[in-house]
Amino acid sequence: NAGVTQTPKFQVLKTGQSMTLQCAQDMNHNSMYWYRQDPGMGLRLIYYSASEGTTDKGEVPNGYNVSRLNKREFSLRLESAAPSQTSVYFCASRADNTGELFFGEGSRLTVL
Amino acid sequence: AQSVTQLDSQVPVFEEAPVELRCNYSSSVSVYLFWYVQYPNQGLQLLLKYLSGSTLVKGINGFEAEFNKSQTSFHLRKPSVHISDTAEYFCAVSALYNFNKFYFGSGTKLNVKP
Repeated sequence: NAGVTQTPKFQVLKTGQSMTLQCAQDMNHNSMYWYRQDPGMGLRLIYYSASEGTTDKGEVPNGYNVSRLNKREFSLRLESAAPSQTSVYFCASRADNTGELFFGEGSRLTVL
Repeated sequence: AQSVTQLDSQVPVFEEAPVELRCNYSSSVSVYLFWYVQYPNQGLQLLLKYLSGSTLVKGINGFEAEFNKSQTSFHLRKPSVHISDTAEYFCAVSALYNFNKFYFGSGTKLNVKP
């Protein structure tokens, strides 16, 4: 039972470097999400994809891009990383009927 | 838009004592409500949800929550906590028929002491 799988789990970048966080789900869900989690701020939505081929901005999209490659995969790209993007990133997919979100284990990103 | 307020950032409690974690929400439309739990270095998992029907919702691990529309609250309760309940708990809201906009509270860290 893989559920939602994120890679990498840890990454250290220098300011200005780029990287892509990968996410895949095997539950045949239509909607997928990227959140960031910072201490005392809960989870904030970066981008979401309601279905294959569509993406929309969330609360904090600046500095990020996303790609919904197919129904299973939803990637998050940082084109030019900044220290303010140091965070833990979570990918999630949503059950169509109940609205329940299923989360990956998170990717801890540090930008120096 | 919707918003969620978790009134307590940390709640210390002794093992076997009861606990209540408070959650209030704001919304101009009808909502669905959720509680998620996050154990250290893990992702979030669903504890319970309110979609419709009975306002008292039972979840996993002996937790329950009550939806109070007049007070716009969805407090989480457990009559007797265990050490293993030590975790961070998040309340979340989404608008009816618009699951794509989930709003999370800032979280409450439950610290169960022996």
